[in-house]
Amino acid sequence: DVKVTQSSRYLVKRTGEKVFLECVQDMDHENMFWYRQDPGLGLRLIYFSYDVKMKEKGDIPEGYSVSREKKERFSLILESASTNQTSMYLCASRPGQGLVGTEAFFGQGTRLTVV
Amino acid sequence: DAKTTQPPSMDCAEGRAANLPCNHSTISGNEYVYWYRQIHSQGPQYIIHGLKNNETNEMASLIITEDRKSSTLILPHATLRDTAVYYCIVRVPGSGGGADGLTFGKGTHLIIQP
Repeated sequence: DVKVTQSSRYLVKRTGEKVFLECVQDMDHENMFWYRQDPGLGLRLIYFSYDVKMKEKGDIPEGYSVSREKKERFSLILESASTNQTSMYLCASRPGQGLVGTEAFFGQGTRLTVV
Repeated sequence: DAKTTQPPSMDCAEGRAANLPCNHSTISGNEYVYWYRQIHSQGPQYIIHGLKNNETNEMASLIITEDRKSSTLILPHATLRDTAVYYCIVRVPGSGGGADGLTFGKGTHLIIQP
C-alpha cells in the first residue's frame, strides 16, 4: 500500500518559533509537494521538488523554505512562525515526468496552530 | 494550467448517481482532466483522469465532451461516505523542465443525503 506520512497530525507552536514539518514517502517518487489549505481558499501550493536537492517555488512561498536531502523526505520549514501560518499543511508525492496521467498521493495532513 | 469552474455545492440522495460537472473551456490539446476528492480531515484522494475518451474505474466514471471544454464525474451509486469536496483539475503531466504542482480550485462540496 502506497504511503505518504507526515510526522505530526496536530501541532501547536508559538509565534517566532522555527517549525519543521516532515514528510516521508515510500514509493520512490521523484516529485514531492507542500500545500496549505485554508477555508474558502482551497489548496495552495507552497513549494515543490522534482529531485533531491532541487526545489521550486509554488504560489505562496513567502515565509517558508524547504529541504530535500533524500529522495524519500521533503521538509517544510517555517523560519519564524506567525499566526497567519495557522493552517492545514498537506504533503504529496508523484512519480517523475514522462509518466503520462500519473496520480498524486497525499499525506493525512498536519494541522498547525501558531499562538 | 487551464482554469476550471465547478459549482460550490451539490446534494444527492443516497443510492442515486451523483453527477458532478466541471467546465474547462480553455483546456489545451495536451492537458488531461483529473478528479480528486477530499473527505473531511483527510488528504485529497485521486479518483480518475482522462484525456478525451470516457473513462471508468472502480470508483467512478468520467465523461468528457467531444470539444473537451467540459466534463462530468459520475459516482454511480452514491453512499454517505462519498460526502466530500471534489476537485476537477486540468494539467499537462510532466510538463516543463521540472515537476508541476497540481493546482486545486475550491471544488464542489458534494453532500449525500440519507
